[in-house]
Amino acid sequence: AQSVSQHNHHVILSEAASLELGCNYSYGGTVNLFWYVQYPGQHLQLLLKYFSGDPLVKGIKGFEAEFIKSKFSFNLRKPSVQWSDTAEYFCAVTGSGNTGKLIFGQGTTLQVKP
Amino acid sequence: GAGVSQTPSNKVTEKGKYVELRCDPISGHTALYWYRQSLGQGPEFLIYFQGTGAADDSGLPNDRFFAVRPEGSVSTLKIQRTERGDSAVYLCASSLTSPTGELFFGEGSRLTVL
Repeated sequence: AQSVSQHNHHVILSEAASLELGCNYSYGGTVNLFWYVQYPGQHLQLLLKYFSGDPLVKGIKGFEAEFIKSKFSFNLRKPSVQWSDTAEYFCAVTGSGNTGKLIFGQGTTLQVKP
Repeated sequence: GAGVSQTPSNKVTEKGKYVELRCDPISGHTALYWYRQSLGQGPEFLIYFQGTGAADDSGLPNDRFFAVRPEGSVSTLKIQRTERGDSAVYLCASSLTSPTGELFFGEGSRLTVL
């Protein structure tokens, strides 16, 4: 079955700490991968995406993610978090020819302490 | 408008009642999507429109759920004979034509069925 697993449900970090959020997917065929973020009181918005090419993708606000095909993973990283990164983060996958039907993970709530 | 607009933002209804949720996508976006997000879960795909037609409705849970987009812009999600299990945030998203896969989400309509 097609699915996305996010290992960390709730992460608490201090400012300037490094961040890595895990994401593993189960999906047959070529995939497109996404990280979406939802800041408190706001709508979901795209953080970064991978379609093809360089497996290390850079997104907004200093975030990056690495696609490791052999591990079916697409982990999100940031070297130094800020209080404003407090949000809920969702990993999502879709097939290369089916871009609208995203399968989302459960989400990870990140709390950054000032 | 500047973003995807959803109304109402909150809807409380009684079990068995009929509910309509409206979505106004970003101008010029031909693709429109409905997702449902239950507490503590990631968004779950319901239906995808390309223009006026439903390109993929495989996520609709049963025949109580129906969605229309008669003029290829505004869409309405209709739920008949609501049940307590329908309580969730219903998210609408739009995008330019495939295959970017970048969805722009609205803030959602929170439905509570008593």
